[in-house]
This record gives sequence, C-alpha cells and structure tokens, in this order.
Amino acid sequence: DTAVSQTPKYLVTQMGNDKSIKCEQNLGHDTMYWYKQDSKKFLKIMFSYNNKELIINETVPNRFSPKSPDKAHLNLHINSLELGDSAVYFCASSQARYNEQFFGPGTRLTVL
Amino acid sequence: QKEVEQNSGPLSVPEGAIASLNCTYSDRGSQSFFWYRQYSGKSPELIMSIYSNGDKEDGRFTAQLNKASQYVSLLIRDSQPSDSATYLCAVKGGNKLVFGAGTILRVKS
Repeated sequence: DTAVSQTPKYLVTQMGNDKSIKCEQNLGHDTMYWYKQDSKKFLKIMFSYNNKELIINETVPNRFSPKSPDKAHLNLHINSLELGDSAVYFCASSQARYNEQFFGPGTRLTVL
Repeated sequence: QKEVEQNSGPLSVPEGAIASLNCTYSDRGSQSFFWYRQYSGKSPELIMSIYSNGDKEDGRFTAQLNKASQYVSLLIRDSQPSDSATYLCAVKGGNKLVFGAGTILRVKS
C-alpha cells in the first residue's frame, strides 16, 4: 500500500525521558512534515524537510529535533519530555512544496 | 486575529440535507486552499483543494472560493451519517499550511 506510516502508534512515557517517533512515506514525495495536534484538536506545523533540507522550523523547544536521513524518512526525537508534550503527532508528505499534503496515522504521546 | 477561522460547531444537519461549512482567512496573498476531514481518533484526510475563485465540484462535495472576501466554503450535498466528522480548513500562508481549528459536523439519521 502506498501511504505515510508512523511508528509507534501509541507512546506512554515518564517525564524527563527521551523518545523518538519514526515516519516513512512511499508516495515518492519530496517534502515531509511534522505536526502537533493538541487536546483542543488544533493542528500546528512544527517542522518541514524538502529533500533532507530543513525548510520550516516553527517556534518549537529545542528539545525537539527532527532528522531526515533521506527524502522518504523523517524522524522526530524529543528530549526531556514534559507533561505539555502530550499530544498526537502527525507526519505528512507532499509533492512539490506545500501543495496537497497527506497524513500518516498519528502517534499519540502521553507523558506521565 | 487568527489566521484561519472556522466556526467550531457542532453543525447539525438531517440526513439528506446540504451541510455548509465556512472558513475565513487573513492572508490576502494566499493562493492554495484545502479541506480535510478528520474522524475522531484518525488522521486528517484531504477531500478538496481549490486554487482559483469560483466553485469546484467533486461528487457530493463542492468547494467555493472568494479571494476578494477571503472566504472559502465547503458544501456537502445529500449528507450522510458517515459524513459526521471534524472538517479542517487549511490555507497556504507564506511557506506553510495553516489550519483552522475545525468545524464539527453531525449528520442525524
């Protein structure tokens, strides 16, 4: 199946821990994104990569570090997790910058 | 002022009726507009994109864009209970996609 996939689907962890979320797309897109959707369902861009180059870096704590080993993969590493990091994190991809974006299934992160 | 505004709803319509969802945006230079549908616990799913003034139809969905009024809408004809979801308006602003907070649609059978 052609799609955007993310792992893990659920992540429950303690404050202060470090965790990673992985994303892969096999749609042949050249741009990938990380979004955060909070408890109020507001969806906000965090980062975007085009062909492994960082092109969007919103006002996000530097505890969040994205990495794109190639244009089909975009990972998100979070250091020193805080309660406020609890949210659903979506990966998305698109062909040609900022046109139609397709979302992965999401990773629900719960920080205890 | 929020960049993309939507009425949070819920908007309740009877089955078979037309559901009308509205969105306004603040960046007059925006060129690309999208509607996403998000079921509870699921990811946003792209249902319509529109780039020029006027109407664009796809099945039961019609997107309408009025750049002069900075207004974009989504009409859903013959609404079905399966259309019950949150509908997100997204606008390309500068170099990123900006989402509204979404409108909850409930279609009652």
